[in-house]
Amino acid sequence: GENVGLHLPTLSVQEGDNSIINCAYSNSASDYFIWYKQESGKGPQFIIDIRSNMDKRQGQRVTVLLNKTVKHLSLQIAATQPGDSAVYFCAVPGGSNDYKLSFGAGTTVTVRA
Amino acid sequence: EADIYQTPRYLVIGTGKKITLECSQTMGHDKMYWYQQDPGMELHLIHYSYGVNSTEKGDLSSESTVSRIRTEHFPLTLESARPSHTSQYLCASKGHRETYNEQFFGPGTRLTVL
Repeated sequence: GENVGLHLPTLSVQEGDNSIINCAYSNSASDYFIWYKQESGKGPQFIIDIRSNMDKRQGQRVTVLLNKTVKHLSLQIAATQPGDSAVYFCAVPGGSNDYKLSFGAGTTVTVRA
Repeated sequence: EADIYQTPRYLVIGTGKKITLECSQTMGHDKMYWYQQDPGMELHLIHYSYGVNSTEKGDLSSESTVSRIRTEHFPLTLESARPSHTSQYLCASKGHRETYNEQFFGPGTRLTVL
């Protein structure tokens, strides 16, 4: 499958600070990218996605940035809250009309009170 | 909240037993997937299906088998469980509408083989 990697396996952040989670991918043919959040004991939950023709997309307290030149995307969480503690995965399809996803290794975010 | 269900949520079983992990979705999605995940680690695709009577093996080799007789149901079977099968198994589905990209995940089945 697609080679997807995350830069840091763990991230500890003070409540109220911003969090940045990074992901690198290798397939330039991917036409969208997804971030998932997985809380303990649950399945992954969709957070936000971004199409390859965009370089930034904002949601509620989250922003995803895509740099296709260096094949890198990031997820920024503003004003991190205790409920943001989870494992975050980036997911990348193999290419156009490829309905399979390759997942990165995940970053565990721990929010300190 | 996605309408995709997995049973059982937890299963502890002895070596050599046959088990079936159930997955069903009520969204009418044509595409369904099974992933294997060790705690906190990445998801590995082991099986997928793009419709009834269509099943394919994923990127990670698995001794399990799947079937897709009905659109809403995608069970996974292990004929003879071994300790190496201990893991979390996640089922997901995706619809044919192209207005969204994500796969919807069930809560997972945590399998322990003694």
